[in-house]
Amino acid sequence: GNSVTQMEGPVTLSEEAFLTINCTYTATGYPSLFWYVQYPGEGLQLLLKATKADDKGSNKGFEATYRKETTSFHLEKGSVQVSDSAVYFCALRGGSTLGRLYFGRGTQLTVWP
Amino acid sequence: DTEVTQTPKHLVMGMTNKKSLKCEQHMGHRAMYWYKQKAKKPPELMFVYSYEKLSINESVPSRFSPECPNSSLLNLHLHALQPEDSALYLCASSQESTGRVRNQPQHFGDGTRLSIL
Repeated sequence: GNSVTQMEGPVTLSEEAFLTINCTYTATGYPSLFWYVQYPGEGLQLLLKATKADDKGSNKGFEATYRKETTSFHLEKGSVQVSDSAVYFCALRGGSTLGRLYFGRGTQLTVWP
Repeated sequence: DTEVTQTPKHLVMGMTNKKSLKCEQHMGHRAMYWYKQKAKKPPELMFVYSYEKLSINESVPSRFSPECPNSSLLNLHLHALQPEDSALYLCASSQESTGRVRNQPQHFGDGTRLSIL
């Protein structure tokens, strides 16, 4: 079956620190992988995606590389800002025509000035 | 700004009330979804509509009744809810195209925060 495992949070960092949020997955077939971000009081926003092995998704300074050999899709950012404080969800989508999303548990990130 | 619009943003209702949540998208997406999200948890899938037909019902209690009047609109009718139904209800949409479904992300609205008294 399909599932996503995210590192436990919360993660607390100082501004300009390096961020890694680990995400590993189990899937049948060839899924696409996504990172979503949820700011307080808002819905989920697509942050980045990768649709095949070795693809690198990037947006707003965040990056993640689809690693089939390690079944991972870790989120990284070189220098976080206070405005990056949010909950981050890793997700996968399989190939069926119903294409449901499987979410990780979410990781709360807090960045202090 | 989100391209999926949900109304109302907040809703407080008693257990005997009937209300509806509304969702609208104008991206030409043919799949639409309802999710329930409790605090500090990931969204849980409730319903999926594909080409205006209900394709997934995740064993949701009958007090939640979805409706898809057309390809741009999705409603969730609520009746006789319980306090444990208090949550953020998220609507999402995505493109559907044969063979490439898995590549298409879902686009979420900002949700309706529902409180049951």
